[in-house]
Amino acid sequence: DAGVIQSPRHEVTEMGQEVTLRCKPISGHNSLFWYRQTMMRGLELLIYFNNNVPIDDSGMPEDRFSAKMPNASFSTLKIQPSEPRDSAVYFCASSLPGPQETQYFGPGTRLLVL
Amino acid sequence: AQSVTQLGSHVSVSEGALVLLRCNYSSSVPPYLFWYVQYPNQGLQLLLKYTSAATLVKGINGFEAEFKKSETSFHLTKPSAHMSDAAEYFCAVSSSSNTGKLIFGQGTTLQVKP
Repeated sequence: DAGVIQSPRHEVTEMGQEVTLRCKPISGHNSLFWYRQTMMRGLELLIYFNNNVPIDDSGMPEDRFSAKMPNASFSTLKIQPSEPRDSAVYFCASSLPGPQETQYFGPGTRLLVL
Repeated sequence: AQSVTQLGSHVSVSEGALVLLRCNYSSSVPPYLFWYVQYPNQGLQLLLKYTSAATLVKGINGFEAEFKKSETSFHLTKPSAHMSDAAEYFCAVSSSSNTGKLIFGQGTTLQVKP
């Protein structure tokens, strides 16, 4: 299996621009998670989906952030408009359903907003 | 509510020395506990997990951890550090009450000196 695939791996954009991050989970995994990692705040869960349905989006910073999962093999995280404080590494992870299951992380998207 | 505390944001050991990374958790229901490792510029990967079977859990790369309910701890150990163990380590907790959501600690950076 190719593992969790994220694109792009690096993104540099200017403040105010729209940014779209993409994730392809491992085939057969019903749960998908979006995380953000920064030096100041560590690893934060933004949102997660079970069977394509958002279960908990309490970690989404504000209305500028939105996430979708139109089907079992694809998810997007969108920031519009982007701000410098959104600069971070964004990880997508997937797992089988259940709290005891291992989450498999993608390589991350390193976002820099100028 | 669940939480995880990792004692020591940075740990430094000499090559060949014992590695001990500390993790304490708080959970009102039986927990599932995880240790993940993150190498530079990579996503997190599972080292080991406790899912209510044996309290001493063995993982990859010679690491192990022991679940101690009375101490609410899940410390990670390795008898002999190798240079390749230098990375950031995250302890995490979940339970049947939170549908697979992982609560991560702040992470501990392990430095291995030659």
